[in-house]
Order: sequence, then C-alpha cells, then structure tokens
Amino acid sequence: GAVVSQHPSRVICKSGTSVKIECRSLDFQATTMFWYRQFPKKSLMLMATSNEGSKATYEQGVEKDKFLINHASLTLSTLTVTSAHPEDSSFYICSAASGRVGNEQFFGPGTRLTVL
Amino acid sequence: AQKITQTQPGMFVQEKEAVTLDCTYDTSDPSYGLFWYKQPSSGEMIFLIYQGSYDQQNATEGRYSLNFQKARKSANLVISASQLGDSAMYFCAMRANTGNQFYFGTGTSLTVIP
Repeated sequence: GAVVSQHPSRVICKSGTSVKIECRSLDFQATTMFWYRQFPKKSLMLMATSNEGSKATYEQGVEKDKFLINHASLTLSTLTVTSAHPEDSSFYICSAASGRVGNEQFFGPGTRLTVL
Repeated sequence: AQKITQTQPGMFVQEKEAVTLDCTYDTSDPSYGLFWYKQPSSGEMIFLIYQGSYDQQNATEGRYSLNFQKARKSANLVISASQLGDSAMYFCAMRANTGNQFYFGTGTSLTVIP
C-alpha cells in the first residue's frame, strides 16, 4: 500500500522560532500533497494544497507567509511554520493523493507541534 | 460548496454487534467520491472504504460496508462484528472530481464496549 511519512512526529519549540515539517511519499510519486491542521477532538482543516513544481494553493484564512509550503520533488513536501507562536500549537497532518481509482488520500502519521 | 455532516459526536456499541455511523453530504458536482477514515488515539488517519458517485453497488471492505443512498445524499458506514480495536474517531470525507481537495465531517467517536 501507499506509505506517507512525516518528520518529526513531535516538536517543541520556543515562541518566535521556525519549525520545518517534512512529508514524504515513500513508495509512490505524488504530484499533489495536502496539509491539514487538527485541533483536539476536532476535524481536519485543510490548510493548503501543495503542487510539485509550483506554488501552493492556500485555503481562505490561512496565512501564506506564516505557513510556507515547498513541494520540491514528487516525493517531498515541506511545511515551515515561521515565527511560531503558542496559538500555532496543533497537530499537523499531510496527505498525498494515490492516483488510483477513487484517488484516496494516504495520510502521514502527523506532527504534534507545541510552541512554548 | 461542499459540505459533510456527521451528526453523531459519540457512539457506543457492544463488542461483536454491528454499528452504523451516519454521514450526509451536499454538493452540486455531478461526480464525486466519498471516503471513510479511522483515526485512533495515535493520530494516524487510516483509509477504510471508498464509494464513487456513479458506483451502482455499495462498497464493501471486509467488516466495513458503505450504505450509499444517492438520492438522500447519505453515505453511512456500517461496521459489522465490532471489535475492541475499532474504538476510534471516524471521519467521513468527500472529494469533488473538480479538484483533489477533501472535505471532512466533524467526526464520530466510536467506543466498543466489551
């Protein structure tokens, strides 16, 4: 099956620092990856669509300059939370479209970010 | 605009019994896909089952089946013979064929009672 990895799984950082989260599709190529944010006991909120070789498409209300997305290859997308603040603390999940029938998304295991 | 509604924030089921998790959706797209994902406490999202809007038959995957009623715009998940390991959050999601974005419902927390 399709495997998507995320690194790191947990990160704690100081307010004002930047944090980079990597999302990799391990056994398939993903021209499109997605970044979600999930608050405790809540649903997944789509933040942006990451397209290989082009700029990401951000959902309404998501700050482009705060959440930098780079999709440099068909297997890697990165999300950088710049100048992190405590309100950025959340669970961040990436996914990649399988390209198979139904085009289901396969999700990474998530990254729990805590900003002190 | 796409919208997914899950009206059951929490459900309980006895082990070995069947349970139905409700999902309704709203879309103006003629072609779309419906998905169910399981999220255990570890946080990972596990794909369970897919139903295409033009599929004539309801999708089944092992103990999971999708009760697709297109006219009512519902896509309920049925889990048969519940197991303790089925305790988790369950999310219904929809993808319109005009794009790759997924839209998620608010989720249902399922607890299987021994």
